[in-house]
Amino acid sequence: AQKITQTQPGMFVQEKEAVTLDCTYDTSDPSYGLFWYKQPSSGEMIFLIYQGSYDQQNATEGRYSLNFQKARKSANLVISASQLGDSAMYFCAMRDYTGNQFYFGTGTSLTVIP
Amino acid sequence: EAQVTQNPRYLITVTGKKLTVTCSQNMNHEYMSWYRQDPGLGLRQIYYSMNVEVTDKGDVPEGYKVSRKEKRNFPLILESPSPNQTSLYFCASSLTSGSFTEQFFGPGTRLTVL
Repeated sequence: AQKITQTQPGMFVQEKEAVTLDCTYDTSDPSYGLFWYKQPSSGEMIFLIYQGSYDQQNATEGRYSLNFQKARKSANLVISASQLGDSAMYFCAMRDYTGNQFYFGTGTSLTVIP
Repeated sequence: EAQVTQNPRYLITVTGKKLTVTCSQNMNHEYMSWYRQDPGLGLRQIYYSMNVEVTDKGDVPEGYKVSRKEKRNFPLILESPSPNQTSLYFCASSLTSGSFTEQFFGPGTRLTVL
């Protein structure tokens, strides 16, 4: 069963605008972790932001914020003030309650237009 | 520098010829894991290890073996590679297997099986 769903295969955003990348997850466990990774064309996986299932506040890291809606099981990534260097593939991921299993979505390709 | 290293970075081989992809981390991490990335499928977990001599299957373990004899090393073994194992492989590690810890990824190994 699909644990992580990213419904936007590709997105475009104008430079300096904000963009939201969608992610929904599926679990019945109370304890889990949600992550976003960036994969530029060079191929490496870059950790962006993390949200724990018990966290009351949405996580923020610089221009990245995670819009965590637990009841809806969504963990959308918001990138503010997009830059050309933000063009990349973005993956949402979930670590299960045991911490051993890690599930990734299929990714969203973001293109920032000058 | 704290890092996860993989070797080789690129490999072209033929069906049935045994190969090993090495993975090493210098952060004294307990948890290590292997993933394969295929277009449209995101990353899928192959095997993981919670500590030395403790390994378990992920979502797609068929055709792969692993071992964890030392804390820093977690090699991925393909005993008899087939063309459907052509993929981009990532090794990752984290301090523990807790839900609230991020993974650090290696640079990836692009494998082609002819």
